[in-house]
Amino acid sequence: QQQVKQSPQSLIVQKGGISIINCAYENTAFDYFPWYQQFPGKGPALLIAIRPDVSEKKEGRFTISFNKSAKQFSLHIMDSQPGDSATYFCAARDRYSSASKIIFGSGTRLSIRP
Amino acid sequence: NAGVMQNPRHLVRRRGQEARLRCSPMKGHSHVYWYRQLPEEGLKFMVYLQKENIIDESGMPKERFSAEFPKEGPSILRIQQVVRGDSAAYFCASSPRDRGTDTQYFGPGTRLTVL
Repeated sequence: QQQVKQSPQSLIVQKGGISIINCAYENTAFDYFPWYQQFPGKGPALLIAIRPDVSEKKEGRFTISFNKSAKQFSLHIMDSQPGDSATYFCAARDRYSSASKIIFGSGTRLSIRP
Repeated sequence: NAGVMQNPRHLVRRRGQEARLRCSPMKGHSHVYWYRQLPEEGLKFMVYLQKENIIDESGMPKERFSAEFPKEGPSILRIQQVVRGDSAAYFCASSPRDRGTDTQYFGPGTRLTVL
């Protein structure tokens, strides 16, 4: 129940296209859903995050769509660029966890073709 | 304001040796988290510490692994008698407060290779 399931495992998108990564969860105690971007050899960096009381959040070319009833959320990258090529992790935090630990999905390796 | 710092960036150990990984949180942050990332996998929570206290170590292996965050100095993740399965990237993250903020800031990681 502590899992966050992420798909696809890898994704290739043409430059200018829309990249879509999906995640699903079971634990209704999750109250914060961040997305992290990780380049090879680097640590994860927070990209954008959403709370379950909002159905969509947009920051520049990045949008999170959140469906509370379906327990699903997704990341959309509009006008995808070669510089967006990285591994993306969805994640969730359990509000009842004393640790505020983040549960990560398994990651999506995104490649943007020029 | 410097970010989360980790050292060494790369560490090579032979089986049976000890590995010490250090993490200096961002200035003003008193909460530290350690995560482990195996190749081609997501990050897995290991331990959460505040100054001089271990708050949650539910993700730590029961043996050989320990962590501390002393009053002065960096947080240390210690792995005794390393085995090949310990080879991974170890990331530290910090945040200024427990539940008052959601954002954890990650360091660049230490890549441990056990020969």
